[in-house]
Amino acid sequence: AQSVSQHNHHVILSEAASLELGCNYSYGGTVNLFWYVQYPGQHLQLLLKYFSGDPLVKGIKGFEAEFIKSKFSFNLRKPSVQWSDTAEYFCAVNANSGYSTLTFGKGTMLLVSP
Amino acid sequence: EAGVAQSPRYKIIEKRQSVAFWCNPISGHATLYWYQQILGQGPKLLIQFQNNGVVDDSQLPKDRFSAERLKGVDSTLKIQPAKLEDSAVYLCASSSARAGNSGNTIYFGEGSWLTVV
Repeated sequence: AQSVSQHNHHVILSEAASLELGCNYSYGGTVNLFWYVQYPGQHLQLLLKYFSGDPLVKGIKGFEAEFIKSKFSFNLRKPSVQWSDTAEYFCAVNANSGYSTLTFGKGTMLLVSP
Repeated sequence: EAGVAQSPRYKIIEKRQSVAFWCNPISGHATLYWYQQILGQGPKLLIQFQNNGVVDDSQLPKDRFSAERLKGVDSTLKIQPAKLEDSAVYLCASSSARAGNSGNTIYFGEGSWLTVV
């Protein structure tokens, strides 16, 4: 079965700072990778996803993530954060076959101070 | 397009009582999921349906939790009897995923917050 590890539980940044949230997964086969975001009081929303092809994936609101297969990583980045990016971010993975279960990391709470 | 609908949004019950949550997925989505999210943790899959059949319920505590999707559309998750450790947000989600297409986006509802006292 697959597993996901997110490196930081809490991150505090000032506006305009750069962001990188770490995500590593454990699985021996081909995977699909996702980042979900949960803004305060809202439901989980897809930020971006990787299935195949270009390992650098661009998502909504200026976020991007890079799949590095050799490192089993899928880190999320944004060059300049805004106060509105304050939210909880979840990395998730499933095996690229059949009805594979989507497994989530524990999440990283990002607080951006104005 | 309408999203995943869940009710009730909030529920407080005493331990050993029962509770039921309802979910209506996005129209046309064959796959429906129930996740449990305990405070400070990521969502954990409880059960996955494909139409009205169960695909994965390996992490469902079957001695107290049950779920059904009788007509392959909406679904109900029941807990009976509830324990203190069942306090969590219960997320319903859906996708159009079919066999061999695990990459479809999963869309989540706003969740049902359960507090067991």
